[in-house]
Amino acid sequence: DSGVTQTPKHLITATGQRVTLRCSPRSGDLSVYWYQQSLDQGLQFLIQYYNGEERAKGNILERFSAQQFPDLHSELNLSSLELGDSALYFCASSASGRGLDEQFFGPGTRLTVL
Amino acid sequence: ELKVEQNPLFLSMQEGKNYTIYCNYSTTSDRLYWYRQDPGKSLESLFVLLSNGAVKQEGRLMASLDTKARLSTLHITAAVHDLSATYFCAVERETGNQFYFGTGTSLTVIP
Repeated sequence: DSGVTQTPKHLITATGQRVTLRCSPRSGDLSVYWYQQSLDQGLQFLIQYYNGEERAKGNILERFSAQQFPDLHSELNLSSLELGDSALYFCASSASGRGLDEQFFGPGTRLTVL
Repeated sequence: ELKVEQNPLFLSMQEGKNYTIYCNYSTTSDRLYWYRQDPGKSLESLFVLLSNGAVKQEGRLMASLDTKARLSTLHITAAVHDLSATYFCAVERETGNQFYFGTGTSLTVIP
């Protein structure tokens, strides 16, 4: 158990809908990362937050957005969902987010868009 | 865009044998990460390599980084079945803190 929690574990929805994925980092970690894993695209880095502020952006679509709240949990919002958004979404946390720390991954949320 | 290539993509090896997984990347970076993923599971961080010449070892796995060659290796010594998993390398771009993952190497250790 990494100490990172994600909810929900599974999510099934229809095209055009909007969903929110939630991540709670390990106690004391300030940085949260979001990743998408799919058969087509492999593992892709989406976005990083550090202590409430966006730190880095990867291949995140404009239909997707994220935020990190004062209690350091993070949410990833996916809107206007398409079939191709079906994937496993991981969040990870690290202590400082400067790339010097190990990242601890959550169990993931499996999103299925029908 | 930074490209990260791993090879081989699939590796089937017998218990007790040694093998190396290679990770090549296309731009300058001083930070490279190795992860392990078991089927249906999340990713587990194995190694963080932060400088040229860095070498880290944990059990039967040893990782090294050559930033001049833009190459990292993950060496497996005397493989055991428990090492069966998919291994990913990831490179952190020097600017922007963006992470780029390799395609992964699916390792199967056969008794």
